[in-house]
Formats: sequence, structure tokens, C-alpha cells
Amino acid sequence: GAGVSQSPSNKVTEKGKDVELRCDPISGHTALYWYRQSLGQGLEFLIYFQGNSAPDKSGLPSDRFSAERTGGSVSTLTIQRTQQEDSAVYLCASSLQGPLLAGGESGANVLTFGAGSRLTVL
Amino acid sequence: GESVGLHLPTLSVQEGDNSIINCAYSNSASDYFIWYKQESGKGPQFIIDIRSNMDKRQGQRVTVLLNKTVKHLSLQIAATQPGDSAVYFCAERRWGNTPLVFGKGTRLSVIA
Repeated sequence: GAGVSQSPSNKVTEKGKDVELRCDPISGHTALYWYRQSLGQGLEFLIYFQGNSAPDKSGLPSDRFSAERTGGSVSTLTIQRTQQEDSAVYLCASSLQGPLLAGGESGANVLTFGAGSRLTVL
Repeated sequence: GESVGLHLPTLSVQEGDNSIINCAYSNSASDYFIWYKQESGKGPQFIIDIRSNMDKRQGQRVTVLLNKTVKHLSLQIAATQPGDSAVYFCAERRWGNTPLVFGKGTRLSVIA
């Protein structure tokens, strides 16, 4: 597609349930990122995938969070046993390349974001 | 759509005036900076970026200024329009091959 697509756009779930959020990046983009945005906060980095390299999971807040990227394209973020503090907007972004490498063209590293998936845990 | 943040710093500007949105960063090793605009109910949208070897970069109606001495970044919007109303985020790449780190954002309200 022309942009980054995320689904569902809104998800309401009960505490303790598992949820899956999907991201379909821009075709040809090798890097994919997940960020979380809580009310009144900036964007909190969760995880990123770059090509076939092992993902950088350094931002995942707990072992209840996991993500995978199949075939170098679509990604799924899974939150197990959801808690109320997991309520947030989960944003996915993709870029032609990974985080900016020295000497690289900055345009290829600009993140294009999807509209996000708003998760509400009751 | 809902606001992305109810307790953000807010800048109110008269339509047609210039806007200046400021951002402080903490890591002197950060070498790349970027501004995003987020309208209600939408994902952040790229505005302009700048590398640390520059102190100014201009786009269409926008200018980013970087002062590495005091670790300060600003976004200037010329002739602010109602469509500029949004939350603006600065982001930095702190070192090496690391993902962007975002600030908390500033809400810009344009008064018609």
C-alpha cells in the first residue's frame, strides 16, 4: 500500500486477555519499528526489525510483550495477559533503511508512521 | 479524534504569526535530529530533519535550528496556519545505530 497500515484501529479488551496488533509496512521498507504512546507522553520505543538481523528488543517493557515479523514484511505485536497500564496507542513505522548510519542519506531513514492502534484495557 | 496528550506544553499563536517550538536534548553524542507533527487521531508525520554537522536547515515554511553548545533544537514555522495546529515532537538519535528517541511533545494551537 501507499502507507503504513495498522489494525485494529481500536481495541478494547479485558485485563488478563491477550491481544495482537498488526502492522503492514510500506512495500520495500526494510526496517520496521513499534512505538507506544501513552496519554500525555511522547513516543516510547519498543522494538525494531532490520532486514534479516535479530530484532532490537531493548524497549520492550516486560516479557508479556513480543513481536515478530514474517517474511520481512508484516509484523505482529503481541501483548499477553494485558494490564491496565498497557492502555496506549501503539504506533508502527517503517523506513527504507534502519536507524541512520553515518554518511547515509537521511531521507532513506525517515520513519513513516501508521495511524496507530488504540488499546484500552478495562 | 482524541487528543494524543492532555497535559502537554501548549503554544498558542495567532494565525499569520511565526511559531517557534523548542526542544532540549540531553545527549551530547546525538548526531541526528528530526521533527514530527501529529494531528489528532493520526500517526506522526515527518516535517524536517538535521544532522549534527549543521546548525540550520530550511524547508517549506519551516526551519530547524540546532545549537549543540546548549543542546537545544527549535522548529520555526513561518506564517502559521490553522492547519499547523497539532502536537510537535522532536526526536534524536543518541548514538550508533539506535532508534530515534522522542520528546514528550508540544501542542501548537493556532488562533484564527
